[in-house]
Amino acid sequence: NAGVMQNPRHLVRRRGQEARLRCSPMKGHSHVYWYRQLPEEGLKFMVYLQKENIIDESGMPKERFSAEFPKEGPSILRIQQVVRGDSAAYFCASSPMGQGEKLFFGSGTQLSVL
Amino acid sequence: DAKTTQPNSMESNEEEPVHLPCNHSTISGTDYIHWYRQLPSQGPEYVIHGLTSNVNNRMASLAIAEDRKSSTLILHRATLRDAAVYYCILARGSTLGRLYFGRGTQLTVWP
Repeated sequence: NAGVMQNPRHLVRRRGQEARLRCSPMKGHSHVYWYRQLPEEGLKFMVYLQKENIIDESGMPKERFSAEFPKEGPSILRIQQVVRGDSAAYFCASSPMGQGEKLFFGSGTQLSVL
Repeated sequence: DAKTTQPNSMESNEEEPVHLPCNHSTISGTDYIHWYRQLPSQGPEYVIHGLTSNVNNRMASLAIAEDRKSSTLILHRATLRDAAVYYCILARGSTLGRLYFGRGTQLTVWP
């Protein structure tokens, strides 16, 4: 029973490039959440998605960041024109129901912007 | 979102009990108390949660004060694998997974 799968584990991009982070939720889970963790800080909520719908994107920067969770395939967090300040660990979590009772987190993607 | 206050760090010896405190004086009646922990280079891991009554599971126990303004996560016998950052989080059903992670408590376990 695979857990939440994130890839890549590490991603290096130069300033101005695009970063695509993928997340496959646990089997049977239809709710996905993305969090970002800056160095030496706690996790910060970014966005909550269900299949084909964005439910809450209040924590996501208005520019350059977008997220999707298509009917088929993994959820994608996309960062366009990356800057050094985007360097962080990005974690995806899933739950079977959108009540936030218990989240299952992946191991994260460490994004480094050169 | 109501906030929690935790000590920055705590230490314990292996096989001893650990009591991790959390203050949440502004908790509302519908807030659940959640605990997650994060091992180095890993995503957070759910530990336990409760509303009013004390809770036990295979990982830990959660003791909730009668006025709900504080709670304590109890690890009955600490192991080296319990060394992690422990987060105390308040969450409502309406929060829909938008959990607020503060700085947490860094637990060090000595052999």
